Amino acid sequence: GAVVSQHPSWVICKSGTSVKIECRSLDFQATTMFWYRQFPKQSLMLMATSNEGSKATYEQGVEKDKFLINHASLTLSTLTVTSAHPEDSSFYICSARDSWSSGRASGNTGELFFGEGSRLTVL
Amino acid sequence: QKEVEQDPGPLSVPEGAIVSLNCTYSNSAFQYFMWYRQYSRKGPELLMYTYSSGNKEDGRFTAQVDKSSKYISLFIRDSQPSDSATYLCAMKTDKLIFGTGTRLQVFP
Repeated sequence: GAVVSQHPSWVICKSGTSVKIECRSLDFQATTMFWYRQFPKQSLMLMATSNEGSKATYEQGVEKDKFLINHASLTLSTLTVTSAHPEDSSFYICSARDSWSSGRASGNTGELFFGEGSRLTVL
Repeated sequence: QKEVEQDPGPLSVPEGAIVSLNCTYSNSAFQYFMWYRQYSRKGPELLMYTYSSGNKEDGRFTAQVDKSSKYISLFIRDSQPSDSATYLCAMKTDKLIFGTGTRLQVFP
């Protein structure tokens, strides 16, 4: 199956620093990638939709200046948490939609392949 | 009211049991219904998806959708310890909305 790779899988940083998380689709092209945040024992919450070559679309309540998203190629999207604070500590997960399968009947859901997640701890 | 409601569990069952996981939803516009499995500290993986009301079977897993009741279920037959994970329902219109997930523990 399709593979989505996230890096780093975990990171610890000091308050006030910036952290970049990468999301790569390894064997398919993804014009659209999604960034989620998951707090312990809570659901995945969509933060933003990343579109290759254009600005990301942020969900209500998500600060676009704090969570910078760049989708410079069809296989890579990055999330940068700027001036991180302890309350930003969370599990960040990306997903990618296979651009080719999105139109097929079986992939009409725009089947999403999820990365392994990146656990951020801000001290 | 949340758009998608799911009992967080944990649900603990013996090996071989039939497991029933459920979600209810409020938005009648949801068209696609998915079940994801998430192991601890890992990303979710898609187990099954359905579009219409009715049943869909894949091996030991059966997904059921009742649009009239706004209720979906996932049944796991002959549960195994390796099935121990968090199971998330998800529903889609233009974006994917997840339930909180149900933590399942299958003990030998």
